[in-house]
Amino acid sequence: EIVLTQSPTTMTASPGEKVTITCRASSSVSYMHWYQQKPGASPKPWIYETSKLASGVPDRFSGSGSGTSYSLTINNMEAEDAATYYCQQWNYPFTFGSGTKLEIK
Amino acid sequence: QVTLKESGPGMLQPSKTLSLTCSFSGFSLSTSGMVVSWIRQPSGKSLEWLAAIDWDGDKYYNPSLKSRLTVSKDTSNTQVFLKITSVDTADTATYYCVRRQYYFDYWGQGVMVTVSS
Repeated sequence: EIVLTQSPTTMTASPGEKVTITCRASSSVSYMHWYQQKPGASPKPWIYETSKLASGVPDRFSGSGSGTSYSLTINNMEAEDAATYYCQQWNYPFTFGSGTKLEIK
Repeated sequence: QVTLKESGPGMLQPSKTLSLTCSFSGFSLSTSGMVVSWIRQPSGKSLEWLAAIDWDGDKYYNPSLKSRLTVSKDTSNTQVFLKITSVDTADTATYYCVRRQYYFDYWGQGVMVTVSS
């Protein structure tokens, strides 16, 4: 089983700030997916296959990485981006990171 | 429009068998490449993938829970089921039914299950 380690666990960002969340895999993976979850709601697909934005995701979001290191970046943080973000690797058995809770200042 | 909806008992006692149903529409599970998974999330914690069944009827399980899980689908390919045997308080969580083609693209609203005596 591939273990995903996200950092930071929690963070606070100001509007307009650049935010980077990282996800490290215990073994090399070909792709990483990312999901956004807000309180009381189901997770939503956010970035798939490392760098492709899901439908409706603002282009201030981007994803990158390869091998065992991946990241999600937000350019110009907005209030609506406050949420918990999870990375997920695509090999069976599928696993998720522990999540990064992003808050707005 | 793709929709998935989970249903379950809400609460059950330890050692019982949990039975969950996922009713979906807007896609066919008989379409090549289509997969429906079950994922759970204890309150305040991360997500755990449990099991999946694909268009061909092949089944996949999380090795850590495999001995307790059974995933199946109905012959009309509009419902997927999950059974978890010998539940414990650690199985208390929100259970999601999720469609997957290349990633988990459509999620149900989730059903909360509490295991308590």
